[in-house]
Formats: sequence, C-alpha cells, structure tokens
Amino acid sequence: SAVISQKPSRDICQRGTSLTIQCQVDSQVTMMFWYRQQPGQSLTLIATANQGSEATYESGFVIDKFPISRPNLTFSTLTVSNMSPEDSSIYLCSVDWGRDGVNYGYTFGSGTRLTVV
Amino acid sequence: AQKITQTQPGMFVQEKEAVTLDCTYDTSDQSYGLFWYKQPSSGEMIFLIYQGSYDEQNATEGRYSLNFQKARKSANLVISASQLGDSAMYFCAMRGWNDMRFGAGTRLTVKP
Repeated sequence: SAVISQKPSRDICQRGTSLTIQCQVDSQVTMMFWYRQQPGQSLTLIATANQGSEATYESGFVIDKFPISRPNLTFSTLTVSNMSPEDSSIYLCSVDWGRDGVNYGYTFGSGTRLTVV
Repeated sequence: AQKITQTQPGMFVQEKEAVTLDCTYDTSDQSYGLFWYKQPSSGEMIFLIYQGSYDEQNATEGRYSLNFQKARKSANLVISASQLGDSAMYFCAMRGWNDMRFGAGTRLTVKP
C-alpha cells in the first residue's frame, strides 16, 4: 500500500491562529481525502482533493476555514484557519490503495492531533 | 445516502476468547466495499479487513474474519483469540463510488 507521511504529528495552537498540515505520499495518487475526528467521535470527511482542480468540500466545511492545496500527485496540505477550541481534533489524510486489481479502500497518514487553547 | 451503524459503544472480552463487533449498513449502490479499521490510542488508522459486495465468501485476515450477510446488510467483525494489544477503537466503513463513510466506532477492551 501507499505510505503517507503526515506532519506535524501534534500541535498546540493559540486561538485565532492557523495551522497547515502536510501529507506526502510515496506514489502518485489521483485523489486525497482529508478527515476530521473530534474527541470521542468517528471520522468525518472534510474534503476531497484532486490535483489541478479545486477541492470538493462536504456539507458543513468551507474553503475559507479549511483551505486545501494539491500542487502535484504526491502532496497535499490542509490549513485550519482562525482556530477556536472547537477545532481541537485529529486530522487525517488518506488515499486509495489497492492490491491485485482490488480496491482495498483507504490508507491513512498517522494523523495530526491538534489542540487549540 | 450511505449510512453505517455500530450499535456497541463499548465491548469487553477476556484474553484468548473470540469477540464479534457488529456493523450494519444502508446503501442503494449495487457495488460497494466494506472495511474494518483499528484505531489504537496513538490515533493512526490501521486497515484490518475488506469485503466486496460481490464476494461470495467471507473475508479472513489472520485472526480477523468478516461475517458478511448481504441480505441483512450486516458486516460483523470477528476477532478470534483476543490479545491485550487488540484493545482499541474499531471502525466499520463503507466505500461507495467516490468516498468512504465511517460508523461511530466500538471501543474494545481486552481483559487479562
């Protein structure tokens, strides 16, 4: 499967500031997915990032708050802007992976544990 | 719209025993994939097992097996011979044509 390097692994940020999370994949992938996991909750899809086009955001997530870049087929960033304590979550990037022609779903980065104080 | 339901917020199992984690789903898609992931306290998401909607046999991966009942729209995870390291959150997920949706998760605790 693809290997994803995600950083930072954790950060503590002041409210009102922004944090950019980076994901680097060891192979070229068409789509990258960004998820948020609030404390004690499941994963919620924020947006899908395709190279060369605007990211597609899910209901409840907007570009001004979570701008995404996808400059090439191996890299993407998610910025959490103007942070508040409610943004404290784990943020995960993911990509498709398959084996022997079968799509096995997603592989994930190690996650970014964000605390906003 | 796709929906994944995990009705067990928490489960306990004795070490070396088997445990079943429940998952039901709802979709209008004919082709879909069902997945189970493990999330330890470190936060990473670890892929465990996959079942395609057209697969006739239940998937198995080592100590993990997926009890797939298509008519009932259920995809339960069975962990055999539980180990202390199996203590974690477990998420059921379904892949449609374009993205993946996750259930609420089940926290499994293995007792020594």
